[in-house]
Amino acid sequence: GENVEQHPSTLSVQEGDSAVIKCTYSDSASNYFPWYKQELGKRPQLIIDIRSNVGEKKDQRIAVTLNKTAKHFSLHITETQPEDSAVYFCAALRGNKLVFGAGTILRVKS
Amino acid sequence: NAGVTQTPKFQVLKTGQSMTLQCAQDMNHEYMSWYRQDPGMGLRLIHYSVGAGITDQGEVPNGYNVSRSTTEDFPLRLLSAAPSQTSVYFCASSPSGEEQYFGPGTRLTVT
Repeated sequence: GENVEQHPSTLSVQEGDSAVIKCTYSDSASNYFPWYKQELGKRPQLIIDIRSNVGEKKDQRIAVTLNKTAKHFSLHITETQPEDSAVYFCAALRGNKLVFGAGTILRVKS
Repeated sequence: NAGVTQTPKFQVLKTGQSMTLQCAQDMNHEYMSWYRQDPGMGLRLIHYSVGAGITDQGEVPNGYNVSRSTTEDFPLRLLSAAPSQTSVYFCASSPSGEEQYFGPGTRLTVT
């Protein structure tokens, strides 16, 4: 089955800096790659996603890139703010099964 | 719309007890799923359903049963609770199987 690895497990950045989180997946048939943000004690919420026929997608300060050949995708957050502090999860969809990475704790220091 | 609702919010069980976690959605989504979240392990798929009457296993199905008799409801049954099932459980629904709309979660402790 699909396996998703996510790095780093924790990331601390200064307010205003950029943050990058990387994920690799194992199954080349996976075709949908979402990113979720989870604040402490809350439910995960979708922040951006990308399909396998697209290489990059942007939404304001957030972007996702996908390299199908290398089977990895990344989340880029620019101009980080304290409210970006949360746990971020990547995932890969193969058929009807969504497999998540282990998560990255992002801390934005002001 | 209430979205996805889950009950109870918290539950403590003794080893060997059984219980049902309730999940309901009012968005008319065909897809529903159950995940468990453990520290350092992300969210792992337990069972999912692509429509009423259809269910299938996810990554970690052992010890759990599901049924889907209506589009709205997708209960998760723990047959004989074990300490290894201590976790936070999230139900989710989706119109297409892609974007997941999560419920607020149920924190379960098995002693």
